[in-house]
Amino acid sequence: DVQMTQSLSYLAASPGESVSISCKASKSISNYLAWYQQKPGEAYKLLIYSGSTLQSGTPSRFSGSGSGTDFTLTIRSLEPEDFGLYYCQQYYEKPLTFGSGTKLEIK
Amino acid sequence: QIQLVQSGPELKKPGESVKISCKASGYTFTNYGMYWVKQAPGQGLQYMGWINTETGKPTYADDFKGRFVFFLETSASTAYLQINNLKNEDMATYFCARCDWYYWYFDFWGPGTMVTVSS
Repeated sequence: DVQMTQSLSYLAASPGESVSISCKASKSISNYLAWYQQKPGEAYKLLIYSGSTLQSGTPSRFSGSGSGTDFTLTIRSLEPEDFGLYYCQQYYEKPLTFGSGTKLEIK
Repeated sequence: QIQLVQSGPELKKPGESVKISCKASGYTFTNYGMYWVKQAPGQGLQYMGWINTETGKPTYADDFKGRFVFFLETSASTAYLQINNLKNEDMATYFCARCDWYYWYFDFWGPGTMVTVSS
């Protein structure tokens, strides 16, 4: 199975700051990488797929980069609604696997 | 708009069974696969498998072979997850999520159904 590692489990930042969340795959997954956001009481939301393609409705302050084994989700100029949990997921092969999540909190 | 609506929370005893529903609306049900994902308390997301909504064929991840059953009521655009012989480790929130046939990322998720297992 492809192991997905999000090295930061917790990240605190202030509104207006920029943050980056990393995700590393245990083998090359090309660009078959998605990012999700979860906020309490809400369904998971797809933010980015194919490593860098914004899902319809995802604000442009979000961006994704990377290919192969190393990926990054960057949020420019944080808004209050951006705080929550972020997960990466590989869909290069089954079983589909997820990172352990990064909780983004308000500093 | 596209929605996946799941059934409400469940409280069950070890050894019992539970059936979770996931009703889809806003799209053609049989055009997308339906996937199931488990999230145990304080844990990450775990892929359980999926059901082909065209054929009804389920595919289970290794950890979910045996007691877990995926099935459909296609006329009602509804997918089901049944867990038999519940164990303490089944206590979790279960999500259904829609997925393209070829690119297996989840563009819509249900809100999750919490299953509590307690004697």
